[in-house]
Amino acid sequence: GEDVEQSLFLSVREGDSSVINCTYTDSSSTYLYWYKQEPGAGLQLLTYIFSNMDMKQDQRLTVLLNKKDKHLSLRIADTQTGDSAIYFCAESTGNQAGTALIFGKGTTLSVSS
Amino acid sequence: DAGVIQSPRHEVTEMGQEVTLRCKPISGHNSLFWYRQTMMRGLELLIYFNNNVPIDDSGMPEDRFSAKMPNASFSTLKIQPSEPRDSAVYFCASSQRLAGVIKTQYFGPGTRLLVL
Repeated sequence: GEDVEQSLFLSVREGDSSVINCTYTDSSSTYLYWYKQEPGAGLQLLTYIFSNMDMKQDQRLTVLLNKKDKHLSLRIADTQTGDSAIYFCAESTGNQAGTALIFGKGTTLSVSS
Repeated sequence: DAGVIQSPRHEVTEMGQEVTLRCKPISGHNSLFWYRQTMMRGLELLIYFNNNVPIDDSGMPEDRFSAKMPNASFSTLKIQPSEPRDSAVYFCASSQRLAGVIKTQYFGPGTRLLVL
């Protein structure tokens, strides 16, 4: 079945770059997503990438997709303390009507000053 | 737009009681999802609807759980009777299905449920 794997924790210093990695299993996924969850809050969509793209950049965020290896990464440049949160990788379960998302367990990013 | 609205935000109840969680999706969205988040199991999809019709409820843990979507602007998730292991954060999300492909999902703030 579908599965999304992420490392559970990442700790960086303020100003450094953060790279959060994710592997997925469903090669038919149309979209791949990164969500951010701050303490006590819901999930906020950060960015997504279509499966025919290799890279997407949005300000401090860079998403890289290696479809051959089913590997997705999120790079946050100049990481700030406000970036401390849980980051979820998610894949769509296919491109048929009515598909849902499969989420990883989330990577907790801790940024120290 | 106000985003996805969930109520209540917090619920504390005793084992055996009925719990009803409510969700109002974003106007114009035609897909609605219910998720449950726990430390042990992460984020799990419980059920989702397209155009008010339940599509996949395989994630619903037991018959104690039921969900309805009587119209495009309202959904409920009911637990009867509730048990301590149901304690979790329950999220509702909505999205717009275009040409058969669901794109981004927008999440509500969640309902924190504690069953004593």
